[in-house]
Amino acid sequence: AQSVTQLGSHVSVSEGALVLLRCNYSSSVPPYLFWYVQYPNQGLQLLLKYTTGATLVKGINGFEAEFKKSETSFHLTKPSAHMSDAAEYFCAVTSGNMLTFGGGTRLMVKP
Amino acid sequence: DTGVSQNPRHKITKRGQNVTFRCDPISEHNRLYWYRQTLGQGPEFLTYFQNEAQLEKSRLLSDRFSAERPKGSFSTLEIQRTEQGDSAMYLCASSLGAQVFDSTEAFFGQGTRLTVV
Repeated sequence: AQSVTQLGSHVSVSEGALVLLRCNYSSSVPPYLFWYVQYPNQGLQLLLKYTTGATLVKGINGFEAEFKKSETSFHLTKPSAHMSDAAEYFCAVTSGNMLTFGGGTRLMVKP
Repeated sequence: DTGVSQNPRHKITKRGQNVTFRCDPISEHNRLYWYRQTLGQGPEFLTYFQNEAQLEKSRLLSDRFSAERPKGSFSTLEIQRTEQGDSAMYLCASSLGAQVFDSTEAFFGQGTRLTVV
């Protein structure tokens, strides 16, 4: 079975600072990897995805993630945090016919 | 609005009652998924359909839960004899293609929040 671990259930950064949200996965086959964002009382919105090809993936709202097979990681970064980035972020990996999600990381952005 | 639509958005019910939720996927999407999300957790897979066929069910889906997708369009998720542990956000997602979640994006609805009192 595939699994996803997100280190840090809560991350707090200052506005303008670097955002780094960590994701490690386990998979017996080449994975498809995703990052989703969830705002309060909303569904999930896709930020970015890795399927094949370039390992550095750019997404919406200035986010990007790098697939590192040797480290089984897919960390999410953004150079400069905005207040509007405050939300819950979920890393996910394909697992058979479904997505398996990590436990989520709540990002807080301080003024 | 051409996104995934879920109704109702909120449902409060007494323990032991039955509830039914509806999901309308994006019209051309052939795959439909149900997930459950409890507070502070990531979504957990419940079941999925390809067109009208229910192809996979999670062990989380006890015999009190049933899902249907008649004619491969909208889907319903029914919970019978609700328990307090059923309180959660129920999310629906849809996607297009033979390979789910491959290079095609999965679109999520806003969810139905169930509270069992």
